[in-house]
Amino acid sequence: EVQLEESGGGVVRPGGSLRLSCAASGFNFDDYGMSWVRQAPGKGLEWVSGINWNGGSTGYADSVKGRFTISRDGAKNSLYLQMHSLRVDDTALYFCARYDRSGFYSNHYYMDVWGKGTTVTVSS
Amino acid sequence: ETVLTQSPGILSLSPGERATLSCRASQSVGSSSLAWYQQKPGQAPWLLIYGASSRATGIPDRFSGSGSGTDFTLTISRLEPEDFAVYYCQQYGSSPITFGQGTRLEIK
Repeated sequence: EVQLEESGGGVVRPGGSLRLSCAASGFNFDDYGMSWVRQAPGKGLEWVSGINWNGGSTGYADSVKGRFTISRDGAKNSLYLQMHSLRVDDTALYFCARYDRSGFYSNHYYMDVWGKGTTVTVSS
Repeated sequence: ETVLTQSPGILSLSPGERATLSCRASQSVGSSSLAWYQQKPGQAPWLLIYGASSRATGIPDRFSGSGSGTDFTLTISRLEPEDFAVYYCQQYGSSPITFGQGTRLEIK
């Protein structure tokens, strides 16, 4: 079964850091681009970042550029999001999502598999 | 970035009726790189349509997508009780990826 499982969320003070992880299983991780999408409480979806199959191409939303870094480890079948300088408006449920295989080369594509999400709360 | 505007914000219909959801882009979406997702409360989004009109695996044929350029439509031909949810469009033709603000489809 294809699965994505996020972890690493929690409560952090403004200005703090957090690292999210996404464990992939049931498919060949190295064949797919991946992404992070967030959803603030009661709000819509916001793409945060994406990475292509080999990590050679990454993309970020303007709202997180320079503060967040996406990366992947094929040996561990894992996707990561390192978040620094966190702000109150980064509070959200963070989803890990897989790009369809036809977009393996891209850091921006459509998502065919989603995890359940991990919650990040930035509060003083 | 490409701004996507969905309308209406809320659509109230009854089971068996036809639903028409609109997604308008602030600039042309390259190669019809537009997808639609369904999201139910407490769940992750679910891919319905990609490439503006191609149904994802396992999606019933009552769901159809159409459009090109800046105007796109998701149509649900005959609403089933499980179709009442929030629907989002997403463009992936250019970075950054953007989503519409969503259309809530509610039972009338």
